[in-house]
Amino acid sequence: QSALTQPASVSGSPGQSITISCTGTSSDVGAYNYVSWYQQHPGKAPKLMIYDVSNRPSGVSDRFSGSKSGNTASLTISGLQAEDEADYYCISYTTSSTWVFGGGTMLTVL
Amino acid sequence: EVQLVESGGGLVQPGGSLKLSCAASGFTFSGSTMYWVRQAPGKGLEWVGRIRSKAKSYATACAASVKGRFIISRDDSKNTAYLQMNSLKTEDTAVYYCTRQVVVGTSWLDPWGQGTLVTVSS
Repeated sequence: QSALTQPASVSGSPGQSITISCTGTSSDVGAYNYVSWYQQHPGKAPKLMIYDVSNRPSGVSDRFSGSKSGNTASLTISGLQAEDEADYYCISYTTSSTWVFGGGTMLTVL
Repeated sequence: EVQLVESGGGLVQPGGSLKLSCAASGFTFSGSTMYWVRQAPGKGLEWVGRIRSKAKSYATACAASVKGRFIISRDDSKNTAYLQMNSLKTEDTAVYYCTRQVVVGTSWLDPWGQGTLVTVSS
């Protein structure tokens, strides 16, 4: 199972919006709505931001939103803040009953 | 408070074995599917495997990269999940995290433990 494809890096200025894509295949992202997104600050454990494509757990800012079209899922962060600077990972369930992560995206807040 | 604490990491020689533990508290461990995820130094996250609950026959699944070498188990009486790692390779060097699936049939994995570092080196 190949890793999902994410851009290596994205950047934006405070207050702007950015979108991180997560591209898979019809055997993973395109097959189910089981895609979640994780934020990871250096030296810290990952933190769940979005699950099942677009659901936000309690405690996560509504500036974070998720969507999916075909084999590509997306995470959008609006009103960028300095504390959003981190690595972001997507993960998807697959038709092989396994899970596969994206390669990760480094978000820089300019 | 829901909490997961990994332990058992350390330095091991190539070809050696190590067993990691993930101690859970604050939720009904016996009904939860537990996951292991690893992160090599400076690299991204990699799904290692999962073990389902007793109701799902403790079914396990592992990534191809560790299949046949790693075994996932659990002891519901101790609220603990385990990752037995055999025939370790240098490329298994990573921080190993455990996490739980909050609701069966979702991608809701939360929280994550702080991780335990495994270093495979001679």
